[in-house]
Amino acid sequence: SYDVTQPPSLSVSPGQTASITCSGDKLSDRYVSWYQQKPGQSPLLVLYQDIKRPSGIPGRFSGSNSGNTATLTISGTQTMDEADYYCQAWDSSTRVFGGGTKLTVL
Amino acid sequence: QVQLQESGPGLVKPSETLSLTCTVSGGSLSDSLYFWAWIRQPPGKGLEWIGSGYYTGDTYYNTSLKSRVTISLNTSKNQFSLNLRSVTAADTAIYFCARDHEENFDYWGRGTLVTVSS
Repeated sequence: SYDVTQPPSLSVSPGQTASITCSGDKLSDRYVSWYQQKPGQSPLLVLYQDIKRPSGIPGRFSGSNSGNTATLTISGTQTMDEADYYCQAWDSSTRVFGGGTKLTVL
Repeated sequence: QVQLQESGPGLVKPSETLSLTCTVSGGSLSDSLYFWAWIRQPPGKGLEWIGSGYYTGDTYYNTSLKSRVTISLNTSKNQFSLNLRSVTAADTAIYFCARDHEENFDYWGRGTLVTVSS
């Protein structure tokens, strides 16, 4: 089965850029989506097809996917961006999530 | 605006079957663009895709759960369901239903906690 891997945690200061990675074999051959989950809430889709933002997602969220690594970048990180972030890929009719990265903004 | 709402027992005994229903409003299960998915999250842990169903009856399951899972769609009621057989404490989780666009899940329910305990 296909697997994707994320670092468990990342810490940034407000206003800095946060880069969260997602690694998998030939990941750039697949579309990657990213979800934000705050405590007690359902996951929220923040990026899909590697780089696209759903309506209502701020422009400070951007993405890339090259080789074996996809990256979610949050520019000018705000305290409200503190959350768990999950990448997700699609492979042969199955869907797989990364283990999640806890982003701390302080 | 698509909305999804999970319902079902919050407590299931070990070895029994966990059964949940997701009611969809603002969208149709018969829409050929979408699958309909179940995803779970054990307390304090990450997300796990359980499986997805399509209005034609096609289903796709996580290989690790495939032997115990059935997802079915009732298009007349605009509901879809999850049955997970022979549950153990490891199946204790928040269970989410979601609209599945194959490459992403764009609408999610609020989730329901199911505890497996005698």
